[in-house]
Amino acid sequence: EPEVTQTPSHQVTQMGQEVILRCVPISNHLYFYWYRQILGQKVEFLVSFYNNEISEKSEIFDDQFSVERPDGSNFTLKIRSTKLEDSAMYFCASSSGSSGETQYFGPGTRLLVL
Amino acid sequence: GENVEQHPSTLSVQEGDSAVIKCTYSDSASNYFPWYKQELGKGPQLIIDIRSNVGEKKDQRIAVTLNKTAKHFSLHITETQPEDSAVYFCAAKGGYGQNFVFGPGTRLSVLP
Repeated sequence: EPEVTQTPSHQVTQMGQEVILRCVPISNHLYFYWYRQILGQKVEFLVSFYNNEISEKSEIFDDQFSVERPDGSNFTLKIRSTKLEDSAMYFCASSSGSSGETQYFGPGTRLLVL
Repeated sequence: GENVEQHPSTLSVQEGDSAVIKCTYSDSASNYFPWYKQELGKGPQLIIDIRSNVGEKKDQRIAVTLNKTAKHFSLHITETQPEDSAVYFCAAKGGYGQNFVFGPGTRLSVLP
């Protein structure tokens, strides 16, 4: 069964450093998403991406964040200058359509900012 | 925007008993309601979903009911097993946006 994959599984970085989280969505999916889950809290939407551009973003997704689909398979989330409060699990998801379509989540990247 | 509440926050049941988790949503335009199961250290896995044109959906031991008028939906797990122990999240997708709004989660423990 096809699945979303994410790398790395864990990332430790110093405050102020840039990090790039990588995702490989399910191959025939067209819509891609990033979510964040702070330890013990609920999953929060960050951004959705379709046709090589952001289609929706939350208040969390400020100028420090950016997303990119550099090639036909990868989807990345970049945090330019990490803050302590960026420590969380970051989940990538993908879906074949947008409206009412199931989103499939990857296993997540645990980011720890020191 | 959409707001999703979920109850209870923790639930313990004996193996073989039923478990029910309830969610309410605020946006009457929301039209898609998935339930995700999250095991420790893993990403959310879809277990069942329901669309706004359906009142109930069942898949083996799992069922979901939707009351559009009251704006609430529930997850029902029958004949619970220890491997059902996990955190369960409900979510709602608004009528016009693409993103899901998740509930705060319910930690289900099935005691052998």
